Amino acid sequence: GAGVSQSPRYKVAKRGQDVALRCDPISGHVSLFWYQQALGQGPEFLTYFQNEAQLDKSGLPSDRFFAERPEGSVSTLKIQRTQQEDSAVYLCASSPDRPNTGELFFGEGSRLTVL
Amino acid sequence: AQSVTQLDSHVSVSEGTPVLLRCNYSSSYSPSLFWYVQHPNKGLQLLLKYTSAATLVKGINGFEAEFKKSETSFHLTKPSAHMSDAAEYFCVVSRMYNNNDMRFGAGTRLTVKP
Repeated sequence: GAGVSQSPRYKVAKRGQDVALRCDPISGHVSLFWYQQALGQGPEFLTYFQNEAQLDKSGLPSDRFFAERPEGSVSTLKIQRTQQEDSAVYLCASSPDRPNTGELFFGEGSRLTVL
Repeated sequence: AQSVTQLDSHVSVSEGTPVLLRCNYSSSYSPSLFWYVQHPNKGLQLLLKYTSAATLVKGINGFEAEFKKSETSFHLTKPSAHMSDAAEYFCVVSRMYNNNDMRFGAGTRLTVKP
């Protein structure tokens, strides 16, 4: 597609449920990032992939958070046993390997509300 | 390590008047600096970027920013605000040419009054 696509756009989960958020990056983009944006805050880094390799997961807040990109394209962020503090917008971004201008291309985000 | 501080959480201007959104950065490396804009229910969009070329950077929609190393600042300006400029603006720092470690500021909400 023309841009980064995320689904679902909105998700309401009951506390304790598992959720899966999908990201379709721009075709051919090597790098893929997940960010968490709490209400009234700037995006916070969660994890980074280069192709299928997860090179940095230092921002994942707990072992309930898991991300994968098995074929180096689509990525899924999974949150197990959701808690209220997980409520946020989850942003996916991608960037090409060449040229590396540092620019990230963002999707519109998946807004998660945990009740 | 790097970080940015956006000095104003909210800025309100009248249509047709200048816009100034302030950003200070801290970086152990030569930085790349960016301004992104986020309209409601829209994805973040790049306004402009500094990556060691000219220190005065021009972006889309009439915005520009000046990299001042001595002041560790990268303030965003526009001569004349338009109603469509109302949005959230984020200043971002990363290691130059390395987008693996981008750090966002907390954001500045720009309101434009008619």
